[in-house]
Order: sequence, then structure tokens, then C-alpha cells
Amino acid sequence: DAKTTQPTSMDCAEGRAANLPCNHSTISGNEYVYWYRQIHSQGPQYIIHGLKNNETNEMASLIITEDRKSSTLILPHATLRDTAVYYCIVRVTGNQFYFGTGTSLTVIP
Amino acid sequence: GAGVSQSPRYKVAKRGQDVALRCDPISGHVSLFWYQQALGQGPEFLTYFQNEAQLDKSGLPSDRFFAERPEGSVSTLKIQRTQQEDSAVYLCASSLARDRPYEQYFGPGTRLTVT
Repeated sequence: DAKTTQPTSMDCAEGRAANLPCNHSTISGNEYVYWYRQIHSQGPQYIIHGLKNNETNEMASLIITEDRKSSTLILPHATLRDTAVYYCIVRVTGNQFYFGTGTSLTVIP
Repeated sequence: GAGVSQSPRYKVAKRGQDVALRCDPISGHVSLFWYQQALGQGPEFLTYFQNEAQLDKSGLPSDRFFAERPEGSVSTLKIQRTQQEDSAVYLCASSLARDRPYEQYFGPGTRLTVT
């Protein structure tokens, strides 16, 4: 069964912030939220992960709601190279990830 | 540095043929994962190795699929008697340690087409 829900597609203007939402209402207390992205014809690339605190790294920021039922990945200044499918993932069991179908982000010049 | 490499990048097989897909993980990476990605879908987990031990093979779709990592480095995914529904991109990923499986480094994948 699906662990996360994401919009199918989104557009963002180049240079603006891209905010990608994800619902994970059935997340359990010790499950992390992970974000990966997949540029066309490449393998997925790890972006960021978090448990309950907001996280930031050189690629993006992750905002997790207090009830942990949803999160938002923020790309602060989107570039054309950020056009990709973005996957919000909650680890299922052990090391088994469920990717889902993700959000196809198109950055528009 | 060198990333995860996979070979071949493209493979065309006639239905019923056996195929072998190779994955060279990043040197020193303990964990290795195989995924299957159908067109327009996200990757789906197939199997997981920690060193040479196959700890999880629950995602393998049938007994025609077999994976091995005999020396804890290179891994091979073998598909016997290929069927058209096996057509997909097969992705390999590795990660440094057991306690950091989230940071998986993916290869470019092998696109398998069964005709």
C-alpha cells in the first residue's frame, strides 16, 4: 500500500523557490522521511532525509510538520538542472524503500 | 571518484533467453540494492545485500530472478527464461554502511528489452 502521496507534476520558474509537498499520514514514530530525485535517464540521487526536525543541506531544505503527517522539500533557487522526478519516501521495512511515482518538476526558463 | 557502474547499459533479449546484469558498487560500500523500474514508474525494490549476504530478497518477482554477490563487491542479477513483462530498467545502488542505507548511490541502470 502507498506510504506517501505526492502531486503528479509541478512547474517552477527558474530562480524561484520550488516547494514540493508530500503527505505521509500513516508514518510511524520512528520512520524517517527521505527525498530522492531522478533526472531523465539517470539513477536516483539522494537529496535529504529527516525524522521530525527541519533539515537543510547544500541541495535543499526539508520542512516536516509537527504531527509528521506531511513534509515539504524546498529547492531555494531552482535551476533548469533541477528538472527531475522527485520522490518522497518513507522506509517500509528494514532497508526496503517504496519510491512511488513521485512529482515531475519542470523548471521553466 | 568512481561511482556505481552497471553493464551492459542496454540489453535486448528474445523471450526465453537468460540474461545477466552486472553491478560494480562504489569501493568499500557494504550494502548493495537492486531495483526494477518500469516505464513511468518509480523504482521497485528487488533485493538487498550486506557484504556477501543476501538479507532481503522479498522483492524478487519470481524464481526466475536470482542475485548474487559472492565476494561482497560485484553483484550480478540473473533473469532466466525472460518474459516480456521483465522489460524494464534495472538499477543497482550501494551505500557505505548498514546504518546509512538512506544514502544510496545509484548506477545509471541497465535497460532490458525483451522481444
